[in-house]
Amino acid sequence: EAGVAQSPRYKIIEKRQSVAFWCNPISGHATLYWYQQILGQGPKLLIQFQNNGVVDDSQLPKDRFSAERLKGVDSTLKIQPAKLEDSAVYLCASSPASGGTKNIQYFGAGTRLSVL
Amino acid sequence: DAKTTQPTSMDCAEGRAANLPCNHSTISGNEYVYWYRQIHSQGPQYIIHGLKNNETNEMASLIITEDRKSSTLILPHATLRDTAVYYCIVRYNTGGFKTIFGAGTRLFVKA
Repeated sequence: EAGVAQSPRYKIIEKRQSVAFWCNPISGHATLYWYQQILGQGPKLLIQFQNNGVVDDSQLPKDRFSAERLKGVDSTLKIQPAKLEDSAVYLCASSPASGGTKNIQYFGAGTRLSVL
Repeated sequence: DAKTTQPTSMDCAEGRAANLPCNHSTISGNEYVYWYRQIHSQGPQYIIHGLKNNETNEMASLIITEDRKSSTLILPHATLRDTAVYYCIVRYNTGGFKTIFGAGTRLFVKA
């Protein structure tokens, strides 16, 4: 079974530039998550999709971050414009469902963003 | 929100059992305890989860106290490849079963 695919693996940009990350979840997984992980901290949930609808985006800085999940499969996360404090690893995860005992999340390797 | 408390770091000798504690004193009745680990430069990896009973799989064992206020993840024979950050998570229901990661325990397995 193929895992969660993310691209790019690394990205270096200057502040005020825009950047986009892509995620392809495990086939058939209804729930998709984007996390931000700052160095030395645990992952922080940014947004959670159930199919192509948003379940939780309470910690997404909506003035600069946006995310979409097209046709309930792939997803993109965009930052526009980037700030220095956005330097982090952006992790995508998917799970078969959001409730019950099936909320085992499978993570991609992440995209490491450096904002200079 | 049920929160967890874990030691910042622990050491373990290779081949010995690694026992990683987690305190979740505010856990409610329908909240599960999940454990994930994150090896350097990789995404977190699911290990095990449980509600009330002790659980065991090919990776680890999970011991949950009777009052459910704490748990212990046991790696029976730690190897160097088990060096990682281990996250204990209590999954609470806010309509989306939000998962909140703390800072975790950094486990160093030494030869």
